[in-house]
Amino acid sequence: KNQVEQSPQSLIILEGKNCTLQCNYTVSPFSNLRWYKQDTGRGPVSLTIMTFSENTKSNGRYTATLDADTKQSSLHITASQLSDSASYICVVSNYGGSQGNLIFGKGTKLSVKP
Amino acid sequence: GAGVSQSPSNKVTEKGKDVELRCDPISGHTALYWYRQSLGQGLEFLIYFQGNSAPDKSGLPSDRFSAERTGGSVSTLTIQRTQQEDSAVYLCASSPHLGTGETQYFGPGTRLLVL
Repeated sequence: KNQVEQSPQSLIILEGKNCTLQCNYTVSPFSNLRWYKQDTGRGPVSLTIMTFSENTKSNGRYTATLDADTKQSSLHITASQLSDSASYICVVSNYGGSQGNLIFGKGTKLSVKP
Repeated sequence: GAGVSQSPSNKVTEKGKDVELRCDPISGHTALYWYRQSLGQGLEFLIYFQGNSAPDKSGLPSDRFSAERTGGSVSTLTIQRTQQEDSAVYLCASSPHLGTGETQYFGPGTRLLVL
């Protein structure tokens, strides 16, 4: 069964600290993996997208990694800011699948405290 | 340019009533998607459009749900005879073209509460 599992469910860190969010997937065949940021009351916004051949991608203070062999991805946030407080969603696509084969994780809720 | 817009932003309705949710995609985007996000759950895919056509309706949870898109632009998601379990945030997204490599741009969602 195609699944995307994220951990932790929630995380509280102090402003300025780093953190890493995890995503494990069992989606096959694999097309790409995205990380989205969803602020409370808003729609998700794409942070990174990685295909099979890419193992790291950065977007400012956000760095995503992908290990296609172990089917794991991580999102590392450096020098966190209060505005990083949001839910971070991992999304995996099937290769050649229909648009219905975007499999979403339940997200990690990050709270950055001053 | 403007992003994806959705209306209403919030909707409270009584069980058994019909509701219509509207999505205005980014101009020129040919692909449009509807998702549902229930409290504490991941996004659930409902339906997508390529132009005005919806090739795959299998994600719609029941025959009370329907969607249409006219003129390759605005889309409407209709829920008939609403049930309490329909309470959720309904998100719409659009992308320039259809394809798993395309980035989807999401609207702010419509928060539906069925009493």
